[in-house]
Amino acid sequence: GNSVTQMEGPVTLSEEAFLTINCTYTATGYPSLFWYVQYPGEGLQLLLKATKADDKGSNKGFEATYRKETTSFHLEKGSVQVSDSAVYFCALSDEAAGNKLTFGGGTRVLVKP
Amino acid sequence: DAMVIQNPRYQVTQFGKPVTLSCSQTLNHNVMYWYQQKSSQAPKLLFHYYDKDFNNEADTPDNFQSRRPNTSFCFLDIRSPGLGDAAMYLCATSRDRGLRREQYFGPGTRLTVT
Repeated sequence: GNSVTQMEGPVTLSEEAFLTINCTYTATGYPSLFWYVQYPGEGLQLLLKATKADDKGSNKGFEATYRKETTSFHLEKGSVQVSDSAVYFCALSDEAAGNKLTFGGGTRVLVKP
Repeated sequence: DAMVIQNPRYQVTQFGKPVTLSCSQTLNHNVMYWYQQKSSQAPKLLFHYYDKDFNNEADTPDNFQSRRPNTSFCFLDIRSPGLGDAAMYLCATSRDRGLRREQYFGPGTRLTVT
C-alpha cells in the first residue's frame, strides 16, 4: 500500500533560519505529491504540489521538488518567520488508491522571534 | 470568495446524544470528504461523496453516517458519540477525483463529548 513518512517534530527554529522538512513516500503507481499546512485551530491549506518527476512546487517562499529516484518531496524555506509556525503535512494521491490522499504524520514547526 | 464552510466551529455533545456537523461549499465541486483528526495526528478519511455516490472507508465505524442533500451541502451524523469520538472533523472538497486534484479544506469543527 501507499505510505508517507515525515521527520518527526517539533522543529524549533529562530526567525530567518533555514527550514527543511524531510518527506519520503512509497506508492503503487505514479503519485501526485502535496504539502499542506495547518495553522493552530484551523483546517488544512494547500501549500504546494507537484505532479511529475522533477517538478518543483513553490508558494510563499516554500519549495519542494519531486524526486522520483529517491522517492522524496522535501519542503524547504530559506528564511522562516514567526507566522510560519504551524503543522506541515506531506501527502500523496495515487490512481491505484482511488486518488485519495495519503498523509504523513505531520511535522510541527515552531519559529521563535 | 469561494470556500468551504463548516458550522459550528465548536460543538459540545453528551455521551450517546446524536450530533450533526455541517459543511457547505461555494466551489461547486463534485466531491466532498469528511475526515476525523485527533490531536497531533494526520487526518483520517471517514467517507466521501462523488456527486450523490457515497463511498465509505472500510474502517469507518457504523456510528458515523453522512448525507448530501445537494451539491453544496454535506452532513456528518454521529449517532451515539463516545468519548473516543472527540476530535476535529474536517470537511474537504475537490472538483473531481482526478490524480492531480488538490482538496480544499474547511476550518473544521472541534467536537467535545462530555
